[in-house]
Amino acid sequence: AQSVSQHNHHVILSEAASLELGCNYSYGGTVNLFWYVQYPGQHLQLLLKYFSGDPLVKGIKGFEAEFIKSKFSFNLRKPSVQWSDTAEYFCAVNAQTGANNLFFGTGTRLTVIP
Amino acid sequence: NAGVTQTPKFRVLKTGQSMTLLCAQDMNHEYMYWYRQDPGMGLRLIHYSVGEGTTAKGEVPDGYNVSRLKKQNFLLGLESAAPSQTSVYFCAIGPTVRNQPQHFGDGTRLSIL
Repeated sequence: AQSVSQHNHHVILSEAASLELGCNYSYGGTVNLFWYVQYPGQHLQLLLKYFSGDPLVKGIKGFEAEFIKSKFSFNLRKPSVQWSDTAEYFCAVNAQTGANNLFFGTGTRLTVIP
Repeated sequence: NAGVTQTPKFRVLKTGQSMTLLCAQDMNHEYMYWYRQDPGMGLRLIHYSVGEGTTAKGEVPDGYNVSRLKKQNFLLGLESAAPSQTSVYFCAIGPTVRNQPQHFGDGTRLSIL
């Protein structure tokens, strides 16, 4: 089965700082990769996804992520964070074959200080 | 959140009581999922359904039952609630095309005393 690791549990940044959140997965086959964001008290929303093609994908609100297959990684980046980016970020993966279940990392809480 | 509606939004139960959480969708997706979200543990899949009349166990199914009698509804039941089931429960829906994202409901915050 797949598993997802997010090593940063809580990240605190000042506004305008750059952000990189780590995500590593373990699975021997081909996967689809997702980043979701959960603002305080809200449901999960999709930030971006990767399933094939250009390994650098761009999402909403200035976020991007790079899939590095050799490292089993899908790190999320944003060049300049805003206070409104304060939220919890989840990396998720599903396999391109077999059961279509989504496996989530434990999440990274981002706090942006004005 | 258009597309996925969860009821109720909040509930407090006593240990041993039973209840049912309802997830309703209007997007005609085949797949429906129930997750629980606990601090520091992310989202864990409880049960899921790949179509009307079908259900399957996820990562943490013990203590829960589900039913999908109609395509648009997916029910999660707790027969005898335990404090360990205190959590936030999210329903999600998804198409059969697996590279498309799941859509989540607003969640149900459940406390078991």
